[in-house]
Amino acid sequence: GEDVEQSLFLSVREGDSSVINCTYTDSSSTYLYWYKQEPGAGLQLLTYIFSNMDMKQDQRLTVLLNKKDKHLSLRIADTQTGDSAIYFCAETRRGGKLIFGQGTELSVKP
Amino acid sequence: NAGVTQTPKFQVLKTGQSMTLQCAQDMNHEYMSWYRQDPGMGLRLIHYSVGAGITDQGEVPNGYNVSRSTTEDFPLRLLSAAPSQTSVYFCASSRRLAENTGELFFGEGSRLTVL
Repeated sequence: GEDVEQSLFLSVREGDSSVINCTYTDSSSTYLYWYKQEPGAGLQLLTYIFSNMDMKQDQRLTVLLNKKDKHLSLRIADTQTGDSAIYFCAETRRGGKLIFGQGTELSVKP
Repeated sequence: NAGVTQTPKFQVLKTGQSMTLQCAQDMNHEYMSWYRQDPGMGLRLIHYSVGAGITDQGEVPNGYNVSRSTTEDFPLRLLSAAPSQTSVYFCASSRRLAENTGELFFGEGSRLTVL
């Protein structure tokens, strides 16, 4: 299909790991992105991965990319209450368009 | 630098009215775009521009017009507002095309209600 797909909600306990999954559509996407949206604000880039990489680690964040299945995931280690937000994956399409998924609302319970 | 500035932040319209959402960026970005955010739908691309004088349609362009007469400004026009256009609108810009790792910088959003 044409959509970038994400599950809508995820709830974890503080200190646990969070894994947010995404299925994208365009196998020619050069970069794939994770953005974070805090309440009442616009989106901010969290991290990105180049399409020839399988994994990228950045402090508590780990991005895994499975190009065969067009599957992208974001793992947040030691999740904190401050990580509560909506997380969007995004892919680039021909012409430079950036297309977002529906967003996953992460709720972190103390 | 102010970044990406959107005005107004809130607007209520009646069906059939017209209005323009303003977007300005002071980062000399080539790429600018408009998204709408609706619950359960994520962000959907309305229109985008890769430079002054160039615009193109996104995923949901119907009912919206744009123009890009300068690098800094990218207004979004609703010619005849409909209740289905009730949404939060975000303007975003990038130093380069997104496919070249150009990070998108977002405005704070404009909440539009059409009665």
